[in-house]
Amino acid sequence: AQKVTQAQTEISVVEKEDVTLDCVYETRDTTYYLFWYKQPPSGELVFLIRRNSFDEQNEISGRYSWNFQKSTSSFNFTITASQVVDSAVYFCALSEAYYGNNRLAFGKGNQVVVIP
Amino acid sequence: ETGVTQSPTHLIKTRGQQVTLRCSSQSGHNTVSWYQQALGQGPQFIFQYYREEENGRGNFPPRFSGLQFPNYSSELNVNALELDDSALYLCASSPNQPGHTEAFFGQGTRLTVV
Repeated sequence: AQKVTQAQTEISVVEKEDVTLDCVYETRDTTYYLFWYKQPPSGELVFLIRRNSFDEQNEISGRYSWNFQKSTSSFNFTITASQVVDSAVYFCALSEAYYGNNRLAFGKGNQVVVIP
Repeated sequence: ETGVTQSPTHLIKTRGQQVTLRCSSQSGHNTVSWYQQALGQGPQFIFQYYREEENGRGNFPPRFSGLQFPNYSSELNVNALELDDSALYLCASSPNQPGHTEAFFGQGTRLTVV
């Protein structure tokens, strides 16, 4: 069964500090996709990044970067030089090819509070 | 702006009633998914529609049902509402392309059952 675990529920940082969010996943599938979404207070989930199981290359996109390690089933996400606008709930999600559709399994989320 | 719109934004219903939530998908997206997000939790997959047919369902009872229309818009219907149905209901649309492309979400409908 697909499962996503985000251990830390709330993280507070001072503006300009870096913040790393941990995500551990479980899947029986060899082909799967991992995502990070941001949910501001307005409620809408905003897509941030996507990675497939065959590409472990870690990248940086602006202030966002991610570390995908299949050996430890982890897909961690870092915000560099945090800003107040980064305050939101961040969700890690998994989609398996097994189901033949784009159903996403989400973690419980990390509440990030950036203090000015 | 994602282009996925949901209506209404807020709704209050009484236990036992029925409710219909609506979603217009982003232009060019033919797949629509619905999620339930309880307070303080991550979204839970309800079901997905592709070409007007249900294409996958999560662990939700049959009183949760849906429709997709030829213009790809969708409805979520919930019968015999229970207090635990109080949640944010999110609609997501995506194009039907290989590789599980990212889903784009609407702002959600906040349902309160009293």
